[in-house]
Amino acid sequence: DAGITQSPRHKVTETGTPVTLRCHQTENHRYMYWYRQDPGHGLRLIHYSYGVKDTDKGEVSDGYSVSRSKTEDFLLTLESATSSQTSVYFCAITATPSGDEQFFGPGTRLTVL
Amino acid sequence: QQQVKQSPQSLIVQKGGISIINCAYENTAFDYFPWYQQFPGKGPALLIAIRPDVSEKKEGRFTISFNKSAKQFSLHIMDSQPGDSATYFCAAGDSGNTPLVFGKGTRLSVIA
Repeated sequence: DAGITQSPRHKVTETGTPVTLRCHQTENHRYMYWYRQDPGHGLRLIHYSYGVKDTDKGEVSDGYSVSRSKTEDFLLTLESATSSQTSVYFCAITATPSGDEQFFGPGTRLTVL
Repeated sequence: QQQVKQSPQSLIVQKGGISIINCAYENTAFDYFPWYQQFPGKGPALLIAIRPDVSEKKEGRFTISFNKSAKQFSLHIMDSQPGDSATYFCAAGDSGNTPLVFGKGTRLSVIA
């Protein structure tokens, strides 16, 4: 998995609770991404980071926030989880934004009841 | 959001046959076109990629064909095997500062 770990790998939570997913990389890559994957929608970009404390919104950012205080960690937070956020979340890293191989983590399956 | 349109959504191919997945893009600034393969329970992994200076790239049984004028590219899997059963995503990038744009994926099933 190219030095990418995600935690937790599985989580079940209730509507309205805050949830934080963690992505950790050992590759020292500058760019990190959070995607969600849902049937029929493919991979949709939530947020991405192009450096420490530098982040930007993706296609489906509403209801999500991110933080990157260290190169190796990129956190995704659902401030108040909703059932529509039940999904599989993938973190990815790359050396350049869109011209090199993007390495994906193993994913986190989140269920919001 | 610039789109990449991928078809078909799902594909069933006989073992030994050719699997073909197509993608079309709009942004003429795109200059990097990768294909990712994803097995159930795993993250996507790069399979093969092409840049527009060539019209075709082959790696083993996998070939990308690229048509710049039509703004289309496709993945061909020759001699398809049951082990190729997976979801395939095309993507496009502009080698700039914007992230890759992914197609919605094609679920391939290769049956014996």
